Amino acid sequence: AQSVTQPDIHITVSEGASLELRCNYSYGATPYLFWYVQSPGQGLQLLLKYFSGDTLVQGIKGFEAEFKRSQSSFNLRKPSVHWSDAAEYFCAVAASGGSYIPTFGRGTSLIVHP
Amino acid sequence: GAVVSQHPSRVICKSGTSVKIECRSLDFQATTMFWYRQFPKQSLMLMATSNEGSKATYEQGVEKDKFLINHASLTLSTLTVTSAHPEDSSFYICSAWGVYEQYFGPGTRLTVT
Repeated sequence: AQSVTQPDIHITVSEGASLELRCNYSYGATPYLFWYVQSPGQGLQLLLKYFSGDTLVQGIKGFEAEFKRSQSSFNLRKPSVHWSDAAEYFCAVAASGGSYIPTFGRGTSLIVHP
Repeated sequence: GAVVSQHPSRVICKSGTSVKIECRSLDFQATTMFWYRQFPKQSLMLMATSNEGSKATYEQGVEKDKFLINHASLTLSTLTVTSAHPEDSSFYICSAWGVYEQYFGPGTRLTVT
């Protein structure tokens, strides 16, 4: 079974600074990888996903993520954070040969200081 | 884009009563929907997979007699929390697969008093 580790529970950055949220996965084959964002009391919105091809994936709201097979990682990045980016971020992995039901990491809470 | 709605967004009920939560795919058909539970500051835990026209598949440790799931049409799945207790208080989120993407509902906050 697949699993996801998000090692950082909280990340605090200043507005305008760059951001990197870490995600490591465990899965025997090439996985399907996702990043979601959740605002307080809301559902999840897909930021980006990786299925195959180019390992650098561009998403919405200026986010990108890079799939690194050798490190089993799929870190999320943004060059300049806006105050509205403050939210909970979830990395998820799904089995490429299975039912595509994602397993979620515990989430990283992003705090943005003015 | 595809939209999934949930109703109600918030519900407060007394211990021992039952609560029904609806999940609808608004502009696409979903043969499969998923129900998640999220505790405060924690991740989403898959509870069950809801299949249109057949029985739901529950994850290990989820009581199927307590969390009744019905997927009667291609656009509607319901989750009924039966004989609710305070420990059932949580944020319940449904989702449905579109094309290469899973769409999530906005969630339902259940508080059992």
